[in-house]
Amino acid sequence: GAVVSQHPSWVICKSGTSVKIECRSLDFQATTMFWYRQFPKQSLMLMATSNEGSKATYEQGVEKDKFLINHASLTLSTLTVTSAHPEDSSFYNCSAERAEAADTQYFGPGTRLTVL
Amino acid sequence: GDSVTQMEGPVTLSEEAFLTINCTYTATGYPSLFWYVQYPGEGLQLLLKATKADDKGSNKGFEATYRKETTSFHLEKGSVQVSDSAVYFCALLFNTGGFKTIFGAGTRLFVKA
Repeated sequence: GAVVSQHPSWVICKSGTSVKIECRSLDFQATTMFWYRQFPKQSLMLMATSNEGSKATYEQGVEKDKFLINHASLTLSTLTVTSAHPEDSSFYNCSAERAEAADTQYFGPGTRLTVL
Repeated sequence: GDSVTQMEGPVTLSEEAFLTINCTYTATGYPSLFWYVQYPGEGLQLLLKATKADDKGSNKGFEATYRKETTSFHLEKGSVQVSDSAVYFCALLFNTGGFKTIFGAGTRLFVKA
C-alpha cells in the first residue's frame, strides 16, 4: 500500500507556456502533500506544503504566483508552473503523508520538466 | 538551523564489499531520521527509518542506528550487490507545527560486478 503517482512523468514545453503536474495518492488519503524540486545530481529542495482544502505554505524564495499549488481533495494535489522558462527545467517530486502516520512520506516517481 | 550532512560520492565498490555511507545531522529537539534510495530514473523510496535515540532501522540488508551522542545515522550494508547502485539520501524529519523533511545532498553508489 501507500502508492503515490505523478503525471506526467516527463513533459517538454515551450518557454512561456504553463504546465500542470498531478500528484495522486492511489490507496490512501493524504492530508498533506509536499512538492520538491530536484536539480541534476543535487538533493531535493522543499518548495511548498499543501493541506487539503487550504492554501499551500511556500518555502522562502519560492514564488507562489509562479508555482501554483492546489490540493482540492484528499487524494490529489496539482502543481502548475506558470509561464515556464528554461531555468524552471528540473525534476519535480511530490510526496504524501497519511493522517495516521504523519512522520512517513511516500514519494511519487517524479516529473521531469524540460522547458525549451 | 537543522541540517543534514552526508559523505560526498560517488562511492564505487565491488560486489560483496562492505558499505558505509556517513550521515550526521544538527537539530533542535528530537527528529526522526531516514534513509531514502533513488534508483536511476525513479522517485525516492523509503529505505529505513529510526524515530528515537538508539533505534536501529533495517531493510533489505541495510542498517542504520540513531546515535544521539554523535548525532549520526550512518548507513551500512555487509555485502552490496550490483542492484544496490543508486543514490542514497539521508533525511531528518522535524515538527514545526507541521512535519518538514530536510534532505542531505545524496551519495551516489556504484557497485561493480
